[in-house]
Amino acid sequence: GNSVTQMEGPVTLSEEAFLTINCTYTATGYPSLFWYVQYPGEGLQLLLKATKADDKGSNKGFEATYRKETTSFHLEKGSVQVSDSAVYFCALGGSQGNLIFGKGTKLSVKP
Amino acid sequence: EAQVTQNPRYLITVTGKKLTVTCSQNMNHEYMSWYRQDPGLGLRQIYYSMNVEVTDKGDVPEGYKVSRKEKRNFPLILESPSPNQTSLYFCASSTRSGSDTQYFGPGTRLTVL
Repeated sequence: GNSVTQMEGPVTLSEEAFLTINCTYTATGYPSLFWYVQYPGEGLQLLLKATKADDKGSNKGFEATYRKETTSFHLEKGSVQVSDSAVYFCALGGSQGNLIFGKGTKLSVKP
Repeated sequence: EAQVTQNPRYLITVTGKKLTVTCSQNMNHEYMSWYRQDPGLGLRQIYYSMNVEVTDKGDVPEGYKVSRKEKRNFPLILESPSPNQTSLYFCASSTRSGSDTQYFGPGTRLTVL
């Protein structure tokens, strides 16, 4: 069945460091791919998405490219800020309208 | 403001005492679902609804019920809660399909003693 695997955390970085959070997926067909972010004490909100191969999603300095050949959707940001501290979830869109999530990666950014 | 609301936000209850967590969205979305979030397991879908009067099981439906009598509301019912249902619950809605952005409520933290 469809599944998502993302790197386990926690990840701790200094401000202005480069961020990569790896995400790979297993799916039949070509599902849409998403990154959601959960700030402390809040619900999930969409960070970015890509709906087909080679699409690049971007938002707030974050980017991820839908790579069909490597079945990956890695999240990157060139220079993280303290305010980026959160839990990041990679997800794919299931055939029944659901989201299939990875287990989440907690990011802590130190000043 | 477009939003998904859940109530209550926090609930402590005892084993076997029926409870309902409400969910409401004001975006006229057809699709609604419930997830639970547990440490080390991520989010798992409990139930979903494609439209009014249409509901179906997700990955972890045991011990839960739902109903969809109106488009905007999708309550989650625990008829006889047990401690293993202690979790953080999220309601979400979207226009229709897996390619659409899902909008999440703020979460309900449930503790069953």
